[in-house]
Amino acid sequence: SQKIEQNSEALNIQEGKTATLTCNYTNYSPAYLQWYRQDPGRGPVFLLLIRENEKEKRKERLKVTFDTTLKQSLFHITASQPADSATYLCALVRGSTLGRLYFGRGTQLTVWP
Amino acid sequence: NAGVTQTPKFQVLKTGQSMTLQCAQDMNHNSMYWYRQDPGMGLRLIYYSASEGTTDKGEVPNGYNVSRLNKREFSLRLESAAPSQTSVYFCASMYRAGGGETQYFGPGTRLLVL
Repeated sequence: SQKIEQNSEALNIQEGKTATLTCNYTNYSPAYLQWYRQDPGRGPVFLLLIRENEKEKRKERLKVTFDTTLKQSLFHITASQPADSATYLCALVRGSTLGRLYFGRGTQLTVWP
Repeated sequence: NAGVTQTPKFQVLKTGQSMTLQCAQDMNHNSMYWYRQDPGMGLRLIYYSASEGTTDKGEVPNGYNVSRLNKREFSLRLESAAPSQTSVYFCASMYRAGGGETQYFGPGTRLLVL
């Protein structure tokens, strides 16, 4: 069966450190992978997209890597701030079903001062 | 530009009652989606509409029906609510450009079925 696993349900780090979140998948051939942020009581908000032929993508303090051999994406937040505290979701789009996203369960990140 | 809007925000139903969740987007997107989100389960796709006039089942369609009323609106109907349908429901629309697809989510409808 198809699976998307985010490495941990919760991650706690100190302000200023780099947060690294992991997304692993099995039985997929993703066309691309996306990361979303979700705050309590709100809908997810798109952050970054990385295609299967891209190794790395950056946006301000965010960096995403995509390793199709390991079937893994890493999401980094550098110089983390308490305002970065939220749940982060990874989502895959398969080449055979463009338009459908398959979501992981999310990792809840807490950045403490 | 309101993005994706959902009504109602909260709803309490008794088992067996019916209701319709409304969703509208003003971004001229072709595709729209309904998800449910349960603790520990992540977002699961109920139904989607790739374009006006078409609808398809997602992962968990049982107990639900949908209507793509026009390009802007996509409604989700529970004909006979069950406690297992207690969840948070999100509507989304999709923007496709440059070989990538981004979904825009509404604020959610919190449903409790007693």
